[in-house]
Amino acid sequence: DTAVSQTPKYLVTQMGNDKSIKCEQNLGHDTMYWYKQDSKKFLKIMFSYNNKELIINETVPNRFSPKSPDKAHLNLHINSLELGDSAVYFCASSQGSLPNYGYTFGSGTRLTVV
Amino acid sequence: SQQGEEDPQALSIQEGENATMNCSYKTSINNLQWYRQNSGRGLVHLILIRSNEREKHSGRLRVTLDTSKKSSSLLITASRAADTASYFCATGTGNQFYFGTGTSLTVIP
Repeated sequence: DTAVSQTPKYLVTQMGNDKSIKCEQNLGHDTMYWYKQDSKKFLKIMFSYNNKELIINETVPNRFSPKSPDKAHLNLHINSLELGDSAVYFCASSQGSLPNYGYTFGSGTRLTVV
Repeated sequence: SQQGEEDPQALSIQEGENATMNCSYKTSINNLQWYRQNSGRGLVHLILIRSNEREKHSGRLRVTLDTSKKSSSLLITASRAADTASYFCATGTGNQFYFGTGTSLTVIP
């Protein structure tokens, strides 16, 4: 009965590969996010989609491309992976495009690039 | 930077004691939220306080907000070993949240 689910939970891959992380929410929320948490636990927003439309696109390398086929899904595709991409990536969702409500986070995808 | 900064970075207390964490931020906000993150897990929303509120309670949690000082505090009363986690404040402004770097709380049984 998971509210926000991400797959895979762990991802180990070599530099230069392309990989995807999937996220799905069953809360009926209309806004979804991708956050990156570095080794110092700093959380930085990457993207935000509201009803399948991109509303936040922070300074992120264009190797990262989000895709939202519908408002319940927001996937993250990463091309040409680099060592510095190693981090934990969190998907989250909320009701509405303004931060007036709490976010519901997924359990994270730990990406290790070797 | 608009992110909140938590203080202290790490806190270790005995079970049953109270734990207080502080958050300072730099710009005006619509609201401020506190989240908990257990090791290896996602963040869990604890409480939201709006900019026109000064104090809010939820169970053993008490949050205060002082917009004149641009600061907030989270008090956990009668702490339990299960409260061991990292706690983050997130300041809501514009159309997104900015998270701080967190306070790591250890409650010793």
